[in-house]
This record gives sequence, C-alpha cells and structure tokens, in this order.
Amino acid sequence: EAQVTQNPRYLITVTGKKLTVTCSQNMNHEYMSWYRQDPGLGLRQIYYSMNVEVTDKGDVPEGYKVSRKEKRNFPLILESPSPNQTSLYFCASSRLGRENIQYFGAGTRLSVL
Amino acid sequence: SQQGEEDPQALSIQEGENATMNCSYKTSINNLQWYRQNSGRGLVHLILIRSNEREKHSGRLRVTLDTSKKSSSLLITASRAADTASYFCATAPNDYKLSFGAGTTVTVRA
Repeated sequence: EAQVTQNPRYLITVTGKKLTVTCSQNMNHEYMSWYRQDPGLGLRQIYYSMNVEVTDKGDVPEGYKVSRKEKRNFPLILESPSPNQTSLYFCASSRLGRENIQYFGAGTRLSVL
Repeated sequence: SQQGEEDPQALSIQEGENATMNCSYKTSINNLQWYRQNSGRGLVHLILIRSNEREKHSGRLRVTLDTSKKSSSLLITASRAADTASYFCATAPNDYKLSFGAGTTVTVRA
C-alpha cells in the first residue's frame, strides 16, 4: 500500500530536549516536505527536499533541521525545542513533474512544555 | 507565506444540501488543488485544476477557476455526513511549491 509514515504520532517533551520526527515514503517520490499546522494559520511549509542531499527552506524554517540521505526518508529534527513549536506536523511526498500532488502522513502532534 | 484564503471559515449544512467554498490567491499559478482533512488527520488530495482550465468535475465535486479574479470555488453536491471535514485550497506557482490556505470547516448535519 502506498503510504507516508510518520513516527511518533504523539510526542510530549520539554524545552531544550532534542527530538527527531521520522518520515518515510514507499512510493519512490523525489519530493518530500514538512509542514506545521496551527489553528487559523493553515499549513505552513518548514523545509522541503527535491531529491537526495537536496534540501531547502520553506516559509518557517527557524528552529528546525532536516536531512535527506536516502530517497525514502526525510526526518525533521528539533535541536532545542521551544513551546512555540508545539504544533501538528505533517510530512508529505510527491513525484516531481506530476503537478506536485502531495501525499500526506497521518501527522505528529507535538507538545513542548 | 500563505497564498490562498478560503471563505467562509466555517459552514454548516443539512445532509443532502450543497456546500460551496471559495479560495482567493495572490500570485500566478500553474495549478490549484483542493484537499480534505478529517479531524486531526493527514490531508487527502481531492481534485486539481490547471491554470488553463475553467471547470472540472470529479464525482460530487465541482471546481471552478477564474484566473482573472485569482479565485476558485469548490462545490460539493448532495452532501453526506462523511463530507464533514476541513477543506483546503493549495496553489502551485511551480512544480515544487504548494501553498495552503487556512481552510474551510464543513459540518454536515444529519
């Protein structure tokens, strides 16, 4: 089954404790992206990647890091989480040149205390 | 940056009625897409309309696009309880960027 898998689904952590949210897709998609969703603001793009070892900033990259060492994986790293990073996070993937129709993971709800 | 803005923010209708929501955007686009999100879940792609198209249908969905007004509308006909969800428009200025609006929350009452 074609899917984008995020882990964990729920995470509660404390300020400053480094964490990683994993994202994996099994569709051989070149493009992967991370979004955060906050009430009233819709989805805002954090980082995206157009292929292995190619990453770029989205609209709200501050406080986040990503890496793309393998085509299927695109982890999101919060080196020193802060309460304003409490949010619902989504990973998505798509095939380049196919009009960027994106497939989303189920989401990771993060609370930073 | 948030490109699309949906209107209304929320909509409540009776089962069987039609639901219409609108999206306005600011810059030129290659295509415009609509996604659905059930409460707290991931978004699911519904329909895509290209910049050179004016109307598109998919099942009970009808999408229109007016590039001169930079606006789009999504119509869901004969709504069902399962249509209760948030609906987002997403504009694609190129092949690697997708900008989402804040969404319209639709509640279908039985």
